[in-house]
Amino acid sequence: GQNIDQPTEMTATEGAIVQINCTYQTSGFNGLFWYQQHAGEAPTFLSYNVLDGLEEKGRFSSFLSRSKGYSYLLLKELQMKDSASYLCAVRDSNYQLIWGAGTKLIIKP
Amino acid sequence: IAGITQAPTSQILAAGRRMTLRCTQDMRHNAMYWYRQDLGLGLRLIHYSNTAGTTGKGEVPDGYSVSRANTDDFPLTLASAVPSQTSVYFCASSDSRSGANVLTFGAGSRLTVL
Repeated sequence: GQNIDQPTEMTATEGAIVQINCTYQTSGFNGLFWYQQHAGEAPTFLSYNVLDGLEEKGRFSSFLSRSKGYSYLLLKELQMKDSASYLCAVRDSNYQLIWGAGTKLIIKP
Repeated sequence: IAGITQAPTSQILAAGRRMTLRCTQDMRHNAMYWYRQDLGLGLRLIHYSNTAGTTGKGEVPDGYSVSRANTDDFPLTLASAVPSQTSVYFCASSDSRSGANVLTFGAGSRLTVL
């Protein structure tokens, strides 16, 4: 079966750096996405990786290794507003999105 | 309207009742989707539509139906609601012809079936 694994919850300190990992086993691969979802709100797009390597976008970076079925989202200079759930999703060979359950990130002052 | 609008925001419904969740987008996206989100689970696709006039079944279609009469609207109907359909429902849209095919989500509809 297809599976996306990510930690259920993580805690970090304001101003610090946190890395949220995502591993996947899917039928084919056509891109990996990270979305941010604040409590009670809609998911919003953060990043897209289709080739191996690091994509940087301001304080957020996303890394992909297709051979290892692995990605991470790196958040730098954490702010209280970064408290949210982070969803990893993979597009499979049928171009369907497979979603992880999300990682709830708690930022402490 | 900017983006995707869903209605109602929340609803409490008696089991056995019929319910339609509305979704409208103004981005002229060709593809639209309905997901449900339950605690501890990833988003699960209920139905999708790649273009007006066509629909397809997702991972969890049973008990739900959709229609896509035009580009902008994609309503989701529960013909006879059951408690297991208690969930948060998200409508999304995308330009599936673009490279990344990024989804834009509505604010969600929280449905409780008693």
